[in-house]
Amino acid sequence: GAVVSQHPSRVICKSGTSVKIECRSLDFQATTMFWYRQFPKKSLMLMATSNEGSKATYEQGVEKDKFLINHASLTLSTLTVTSAHPEDSSFYICSAREGVRETQYFGPGTRLLVL
Amino acid sequence: QKEVEQNSGPLSVPEGAIASLNCTYSDRGSQSFFWYRQYSGKSPELIMSIYSNGDKEDGRFTAQLNKASQYVSLLIRDSQPSDSATYLCAVEIRRSGYALNFGKGTSLLVTP
Repeated sequence: GAVVSQHPSRVICKSGTSVKIECRSLDFQATTMFWYRQFPKKSLMLMATSNEGSKATYEQGVEKDKFLINHASLTLSTLTVTSAHPEDSSFYICSAREGVRETQYFGPGTRLLVL
Repeated sequence: QKEVEQNSGPLSVPEGAIASLNCTYSDRGSQSFFWYRQYSGKSPELIMSIYSNGDKEDGRFTAQLNKASQYVSLLIRDSQPSDSATYLCAVEIRRSGYALNFGKGTSLLVTP
């Protein structure tokens, strides 16, 4: 199957700092990438849909100025958590979708802890 | 947000038995359905996708879809302890570029 990577896998930061998470499709071109968030004991919740070369579409309740998404190429999307706070601590997971198939391939996730 | 409902469990089955996982969804227009397995601390991995009414088999796994009843299920035959995980039902959200709406997941425990 297709491979999606995320970096870093784990990050600890101080409150008020910004954190960038990268999501890469390694062996296919992803016209669309998705960012999900999962809190402990909860399911994955869609944060935003990212299309290459255009602005991301954010789900209701997700602050676009706080969670900056850039999809600059067909293999890379980045999520920047700006001015992170402890309540932003979560498991952030990206997925990528090939243009003509419906299967989404998930990255391994990034665990963010804000102190 | 349209809902995807699953029994959170835990569902406990003995090794070698059949595990039956169920899911209902509220958006009658949904066309694509997926089962993912998630181990603790890991991201989801795709087990099966199903798009048409009826059964779809892949090895020890069988997905069943009934669009009239808005119901999806997953059967795991000859359950193994390594199958112990959380199983997530997901339904495609067309308005969000084909993102997925996940249920809360059912925790499965296969006991030796």
